[in-house]
Amino acid sequence: AQSVTQPDIHITVSEGASLELRCNYSYGATPYLFWYVQSPGQGLQLLLKYFSGDTLVQGIKGFEAEFKRSQSSFNLRKPSVHWSDAAEYFCAGGTNAGKSTFGDGTTLTVKP
Amino acid sequence: EAGVVQSPRYKIIEKKQPVAFWCNPISGHNTLYWYLQNLGQGPELLIRYENEEAVDDSQLPKDRFSAERLKGVDSTLKIQPAELGDSAVYLCASSLSNPEGADTQYFGPGTRLTVL
Repeated sequence: AQSVTQPDIHITVSEGASLELRCNYSYGATPYLFWYVQSPGQGLQLLLKYFSGDTLVQGIKGFEAEFKRSQSSFNLRKPSVHWSDAAEYFCAGGTNAGKSTFGDGTTLTVKP
Repeated sequence: EAGVVQSPRYKIIEKKQPVAFWCNPISGHNTLYWYLQNLGQGPELLIRYENEEAVDDSQLPKDRFSAERLKGVDSTLKIQPAELGDSAVYLCASSLSNPEGADTQYFGPGTRLTVL
């Protein structure tokens, strides 16, 4: 079945440290991939998306993600984490319009 | 530009009672989605509308859940009767159809339902 997997349930990083959140996908064709962030009590906000072309995608809030076909991955990165980045992060993927599948999320805690 | 609006934000009901959630999508967005999000999990699609037509309702438990989008704008999701296991956050999202596919979805804040 087509799916998206986020291997890490919870990650803790120190403020100012770099961040990488993992996302693996399982699709026959090249999928469309997204990263969303969800703060407590809020809906999901799109950080970035990959459709085609350049495999390094820049998003909002200083985030970027790299599509790696050989590893079936679309990991989210940020060079220096801020306390306000503490939230839950969801990777989503799909091959048809409107048929996105979401991972179970990674909760990010930022230590002072 | 206003985002996706949902109401109520919170709802507490007793089991076997009916409940309804309302969603107003971003103006001009023709596609509307209802998702269920359980604690610690990602959203799961319940139903997707393109204009007023439900084009994907395969995951909607039709024995107790119903939805409508009569004029192709706002939408209502109903549960009757509610069960304890329905306690979750119900998210609404909207998008503008993209010919390339994989529309970018914009989410509302959700309705947190607690069934006692």
